[in-house]
Amino acid sequence: DTAVSQTPKYLVTQMGNDKSIKCEQNLGHDTMYWYKQDSKKFLKIMFSYNNKELIINETVPNRFSPKSPDKAHLNLHINSLELGDSAVYFCASSQDGTGNEKLFFGSGTQLSVL
Amino acid sequence: AQSVTQLDSQVPVFEEAPVELRCNYSSSVSVYLFWYVQYPNQGLQLLLKYLSGSTLVKGINGFEAEFNKSQTSFHLRKPSVHISDTAEYFCAVSSGGYNKLIFGAGTRLAVHP
Repeated sequence: DTAVSQTPKYLVTQMGNDKSIKCEQNLGHDTMYWYKQDSKKFLKIMFSYNNKELIINETVPNRFSPKSPDKAHLNLHINSLELGDSAVYFCASSQDGTGNEKLFFGSGTQLSVL
Repeated sequence: AQSVTQLDSQVPVFEEAPVELRCNYSSSVSVYLFWYVQYPNQGLQLLLKYLSGSTLVKGINGFEAEFNKSQTSFHLRKPSVHISDTAEYFCAVSSGGYNKLIFGAGTRLAVHP
C-alpha cells in the first residue's frame, strides 16, 4: 500500500477553472503538508496541518484553500487557476511535525494551466 | 530565519567515481539537517539526517554526510556512485518545533557509464 497517495497524477486545465488535488496518508501521522515545486525544481512549503489544525500558512494566494476533513487527509483546492500555478504539487506527512522527523512524500501532481 | 545554499546545480560524474554534493546553511539557532533524493517522476525520499551527536551521518544507498558547524556545511558524499544514483538531491534545514523545513535549490547528479 502506498504510504502517501495523491490524485490525480496529472491535471491539465484552462485558466480560470477551479480544481482540487486530494491527498491521503495511511501512516497514522498527525501532520500533513503541501509543497509546490516549480519548473526549476525549487521546493517551497505552502501549508501544514497538525491533527486537522492549520499550523503553517505561507504567503500563498487565497485562491489556494487546503481542507483537512480528518488527520489522514489533506486536500488542496485552487480557484481561478492562473498560468503561474503550473507546477508539481507534493503532499507529505510526518509523525508529529516537530521538525526533526522524516517527511514521507507522495509522488506528486503535475498541474498544467493552459 | 534559516536558508540553504546548494553550491552546484549539476554534478556530472562517471560510474564508480566518488562524488560530493555541497550544502551550506545559514541559521542563528541550532538546526536539524537533511538530505533528500528525488528520482524522476517521484516524490522525495529521505537519505539521511543530522539531529545531534556524531557529526558523520550514514544514510541509505551508501551515502554519508558530515556536519561541520564552524563552516556551516553539510556535504553529502558517496565513495563510488552507480548509474541508479542519477537523481535530484535536496539539502534541507529545520530549526525544529512546528517550523518549516527549508529546502535548497537542488543538485542534479548525473552518473555516466
